[in-house]
Amino acid sequence: QLQQSGPGLVKPSQTLSLTCAISGDSVSSDTAAWNWVRQSPSRGLEWLGRTLYRSKWYYDYSMSVKGRIAVNPDTSKNQFSLHLNSVTPEDTGVYYCARDSFSGWTSWGQGILVTVSS
Amino acid sequence: QTVVTQEPSLTVSPGGTVTLTCASSTGTVTSANYPNWFQQKPGHAPTPLIYSTSNKHSWTPARFSGSLLGGKAALTVSDVQPEDEADYYCLLHYSDGHLDWVFGGGTKLTVL
Repeated sequence: QLQQSGPGLVKPSQTLSLTCAISGDSVSSDTAAWNWVRQSPSRGLEWLGRTLYRSKWYYDYSMSVKGRIAVNPDTSKNQFSLHLNSVTPEDTGVYYCARDSFSGWTSWGQGILVTVSS
Repeated sequence: QTVVTQEPSLTVSPGGTVTLTCASSTGTVTSANYPNWFQQKPGHAPTPLIYSTSNKHSWTPARFSGSLLGGKAALTVSDVQPEDEADYYCLLHYSDGHLDWVFGGGTKLTVL
């Protein structure tokens, strides 16, 4: 199970930060990847990035947000986070964390609506 | 930028069969794109239905099936039920130099 937390309102030019707590699995799993996805009426569903552990940590990011995004694992708390900087109103949407593996995208967080507004 | 295209909307009668498709701007969709299909109802996170083209999750109703059809990924719903009315999204994987997952724009399925 994935449980998301974080603020629902972020000011333009600031950093959007969300956390996804994992239960029933490990962020250090060598068979899973931990993703962030967002959804908005204008952009639909959009994959943002992921982290995964395969003897070392790997990070992959969508070109649409590369340079502004970081997805970080926290092994001490068994969770991972999203940091998206220099946000604009275009970054408004529902943000989901999700687990994927060779058995598909099996677990999703509940989603958090983040509004970028002053 | 890669674009994944789905039918914006489809209508089907209860008990009927409908096929939703998922096309890639890069060309033919193959098993190497690991096509995934999701169902989404208002106010909820997407529910996974199909992974790796045709594999069902333990919770996926038997009337849902995935395939490759005419260069696209396809989701067929047989014996459509009223509760199948929802938005359906495909998701494709790309790894040509840069790893990426790209969602389709979604198909709104109406059961009427």
